Amino acid sequence: EAGVAQSPRYKIIEKRQSVAFWCNPISGHATLYWYQQILGQGPKLLIQFQNNGVVDDSQLPKDRFSAERLKGVDSTLKIQPAKLEDSAVYLCASSLEQGGTYEQYFGPGTRLTVT
Amino acid sequence: GNSVTQMEGPVTLSEEAFLTINCTYTATGYPSLFWYVQYPGEGLQLLLKATKADDKGSNKGFEATYRKETTSFHLEKGSVQVSDSAVYFCALSPAAGNKLTFGGGTRVLVKP
Repeated sequence: EAGVAQSPRYKIIEKRQSVAFWCNPISGHATLYWYQQILGQGPKLLIQFQNNGVVDDSQLPKDRFSAERLKGVDSTLKIQPAKLEDSAVYLCASSLEQGGTYEQYFGPGTRLTVT
Repeated sequence: GNSVTQMEGPVTLSEEAFLTINCTYTATGYPSLFWYVQYPGEGLQLLLKATKADDKGSNKGFEATYRKETTSFHLEKGSVQVSDSAVYFCALSPAAGNKLTFGGGTRVLVKP
């Protein structure tokens, strides 16, 4: 079974530029998550999709971050314009309910450096 | 709100030593508890989980017991190997829902 795919793996941009990340979840997983992991910290949920609808985006900085999941499969996360504090690893995860719990499977992440 | 606190690292051990990483949580109801591991250069992987009080999760020689009375989920391994060097994250998801809240992570370095 293929895992969660993310691209690009690394990205370096200057502040005020825009950037987009792509995620392809595990086939059949209805729930998709984007996390931000700042160096030395645990991942923080940015947005959660159930199929192509948003379940939770309470911690997404909506003035600069946007995300979509068209057709309930792939997803893109965009930052426009980027700030220095956006330097982090952006993790995508997907999950499937099993016995009342949701085990999340993570992709390798995209490491963003904003200079 | 929900929160997870775990011991700060790095934790440096010799091979075959005993490892304990403390994790405590704050949540309403009965959350599910998880330990994730992040090996160098790789993504997060689920190591083990427990979904109700007194459950013991185990995998690859690691164990953790869900203690409701102390709101803890400490990770233990009796004899670590160099290959266990990684960052370990404790996490919870609420009783009704699947949003994960992570602790800050504990870096473990095992020396031969």
